[in-house]
Amino acid sequence: IAGITQAPTSQILAAGRRMTLRCTQDMRHNAMYWYRQDLGLGLRLIHYSNTAGTTGKGEVPDGYSVSRANTDDFPLTLASAVPSQTSVYFCASSVVGGGGSNTQYFGPGTRLTVL
Amino acid sequence: GQNIDQPTEMTATEGAIVQINCTYQTSGFNGLFWYQQHAGEAPTFLSYNVLDGLEEKGRFSSFLSRSKGYSYLLLKELQMKDSASYLCAVRDRDYKLSFGAGTTVTVRA
Repeated sequence: IAGITQAPTSQILAAGRRMTLRCTQDMRHNAMYWYRQDLGLGLRLIHYSNTAGTTGKGEVPDGYSVSRANTDDFPLTLASAVPSQTSVYFCASSVVGGGGSNTQYFGPGTRLTVL
Repeated sequence: GQNIDQPTEMTATEGAIVQINCTYQTSGFNGLFWYQQHAGEAPTFLSYNVLDGLEEKGRFSSFLSRSKGYSYLLLKELQMKDSASYLCAVRDRDYKLSFGAGTTVTVRA
């Protein structure tokens, strides 16, 4: 069981370039999330999706877009990267609803540097 | 939105007990989570509280008081491998998590 995979592991990108970070889960979770983690600021939610076909904005959505064409995949796209988007990006997934703790489980992260 | 506060750093000795406090102000509380994150790794789930009281899981316990907007994570019998960041996160009614900045715990021999 892989859980959640993210690709690439790390990337150095020139400012102005387009970049898509990939996230795939095999747990059949209905909800998926993208966070960025910056020193001293903790994890901040970028976008989320509670079910395939729907997405929502988190705390810091500007400069990012997402799509959720199916249950398993939730790519995050930076249309035109800027240096302030240098960060570690984590994808997470959970079951939403139906009782229980609905815990979010995290992928291994992508370290992105924009120069 | 959520406003979540936790100490930046704590240091303790191997075998000791450490308590990490977390206070929050929320609009629509729907549970509180603690995660552990080792340097360079992903956060991993430790505990979940939705009702007031203490949840115990081996060496780790978590407490919640909803009326006070307060939680703590208690780490007992500290081991060197417990050196990590501990993240407090509050969930809203849309199942979104808001995280505190994290508490870095250093365990010394």
